[in-house]
Amino acid sequence: AAGVIQSPRHLIKEKRETATLKCYPIPRHDTVYWYQQGPGQDPQFLISFYEKMQSDKGSIPDRFSAQQFSDYHSELNMSSLELGDSALYFCASSLLTSGGPSTDTQYFGPGTRLTVL
Amino acid sequence: KQEVTQIPAALSVPEGENLVLNCSFTDSAIYNLQWFRQDPGKGLTSLLLIQSSQREQTSGRLNASLDKSSGRSTLYIAASQPGDSATYLCAAEGGVESYNTDKLIFGTGTRLQVFP
Repeated sequence: AAGVIQSPRHLIKEKRETATLKCYPIPRHDTVYWYQQGPGQDPQFLISFYEKMQSDKGSIPDRFSAQQFSDYHSELNMSSLELGDSALYFCASSLLTSGGPSTDTQYFGPGTRLTVL
Repeated sequence: KQEVTQIPAALSVPEGENLVLNCSFTDSAIYNLQWFRQDPGKGLTSLLLIQSSQREQTSGRLNASLDKSSGRSTLYIAASQPGDSATYLCAAEGGVESYNTDKLIFGTGTRLQVFP
């Protein structure tokens, strides 16, 4: 079965550079979530989209932005990168029923490991 | 604000033992609770999801229970194997302050090692 695809899998950037992470949800899933997992930490919610509209926002820095496109893939754009942005970035997708609270599993992608030097 | 904690933080057991991982959450108005497995440096694999209306879910050697009133969930692993070695994370979705949102709040995980 198709899973969530994330690209790139690894990314190395210098401080103050920009990075774009991509996420391709499971086919027919309409909701995408982004999480950040720092070294030795639990994943923290960043932002989510339902039907191409932002549905929730967590502890996402103003330097970060994201969107969901017409084909439901999502991109996380990160500017003015800092050393503390080094982390594993997960994308997850799910299928919301009737536009309300999810009753379905969030399926996670393999993550993009971002290293900021 | 929902807070999720997991006990113990680490667990080392011999192969074949049955074990229980604990997860506690402060806001009992959750929609569901999900258990994940994470291998070192790898992604998250969903193991079980328990809806707020359910008491337990089973998948193979795994059984997860949910007690909303006490804010607790347990993951029971039967006949543990070395291949079960990983970090196990629980995550709660929803809560009083999270109405109509689907973000997951993760616990800090239990690092499990099963030795032969």
